[in-house]
Amino acid sequence: SQTIHQWPATLVQPVGSPLSLECTVEGTSNPNLYWYRQAAGRGLQLLFYSVGIGQISSEVPQNLSASRPQDRQFILSSKKLLLSDSGFYLCAWSVRREGEQFFGPGTRLTVL
Amino acid sequence: KQEVTQIPAALSVPEGENLVLNCSFTDSAIYNLQWFRQDPGKGLTSLLLIQSSQREQTSGRLNASLDKSSGRSTLYIAASQPGDSATYLCAARSNRDDKIIFGKGTRLHILP
Repeated sequence: SQTIHQWPATLVQPVGSPLSLECTVEGTSNPNLYWYRQAAGRGLQLLFYSVGIGQISSEVPQNLSASRPQDRQFILSSKKLLLSDSGFYLCAWSVRREGEQFFGPGTRLTVL
Repeated sequence: KQEVTQIPAALSVPEGENLVLNCSFTDSAIYNLQWFRQDPGKGLTSLLLIQSSQREQTSGRLNASLDKSSGRSTLYIAASQPGDSATYLCAARSNRDDKIIFGKGTRLHILP
């Protein structure tokens, strides 16, 4: 069966510090991968998606970036965090673009 | 631009009742619509996925319907239990630009 992991589970970082969140999927090959952010009082916002290694599409311009160095690994990064980057970051995967999405446990990021 | 709305934002019902959660979308050009539940501080759990060619999907006590012409989907929960308490979200995937738009969710509380 397929599983999706995210780490860390929680993170507290000062403004201006770098960020690296990792997501890995097990039990499937060539998944479509997604990064979402869920901010308090707002719906889920799609940040990035990837259909293959090195292929990243950005949905929202921001100071975040994503990379997919391996087939089942998706990384969300920032060089300098802003207060507005605080939120709950969720990684998801699907077999194909229009397929059912499955979510990871999330990372709670607090920027102070 | 697709907008997805879930009303009400919160709902409390006594245990054992059948209930309906609503999801409306403004653009009927969708690939599919997916329902999720989210427990506090957790990731999303997929409940049901309805393709645009389908009218409904069932899983256990859950039944989701889709009416593209009216821009509506409903999630029916039969014989509600306290364990059903969670936030329920719907998400529509557009077949115009492939974007996935989430509603802000309905927070459901089942009273024992």
